[in-house]
Amino acid sequence: DTGVSQDPRHKITKRGQNVTFRCDPISEHNRLYWYRQTLGQGPEFLTYFQNEAQLEKSRLLSDRFSAERPKGSFSTLEIQRTEQGDSAMYLCASSSRGRAGELFFGEGSRLTVL
Amino acid sequence: TQLLEQSPQFLSIQEGENLTVYCNSSSVFSSLQWYRQEPGEGPVLLVTVVTGGEVKKLKRLTFQFGDARKDSSLHITAAQPGDTGLYLCAGVRGGSEKLVFGKGTKLTVNP
Repeated sequence: DTGVSQDPRHKITKRGQNVTFRCDPISEHNRLYWYRQTLGQGPEFLTYFQNEAQLEKSRLLSDRFSAERPKGSFSTLEIQRTEQGDSAMYLCASSSRGRAGELFFGEGSRLTVL
Repeated sequence: TQLLEQSPQFLSIQEGENLTVYCNSSSVFSSLQWYRQEPGEGPVLLVTVVTGGEVKKLKRLTFQFGDARKDSSLHITAAQPGDTGLYLCAGVRGGSEKLVFGKGTKLTVNP
């Protein structure tokens, strides 16, 4: 399968713990996006990378959130000191140059904070 | 404030009926996309529209981009249970690579 893959698919953690999600984009795509989606809402933009450069971050991305794409390939999203309000689906997507808006999404990583 | 407003939020119809979903904004978009999402999965791109007034057809789905590039509609003819899902409109504003989404329209087509 050469689509976008995310790991883990589900994560249950206790409040205060740190969690990390990984995203492997489609190999020829240089843009990588992270979104958060809660029940009944559309995806909310968190951040995006062009190659290894993080070009934009949402105000939603507090100082407890950090994202990296060290070699311009896979990306990680870390949430430190998780709170119950962090419970959501975290979606990763990738796209190729010149195709803004045409994102290929992974199946998401569902986080539950107890 | 939601940049893209979708209506209706929920829609439950019988198989064979027609329906239209609307996506409105006060902002101009360089392109607008429609995605479909099923429970537990990521959104899947259906179509991109880029030219004001553009109409695209995908089998029983017809997508239209407003002349001013601020709004769009999705029309489904003779809906089928397989059309059930969350329909999301999304757009990119000029000079940005960021895709912003509406809240979605949850469509249920009953057999």
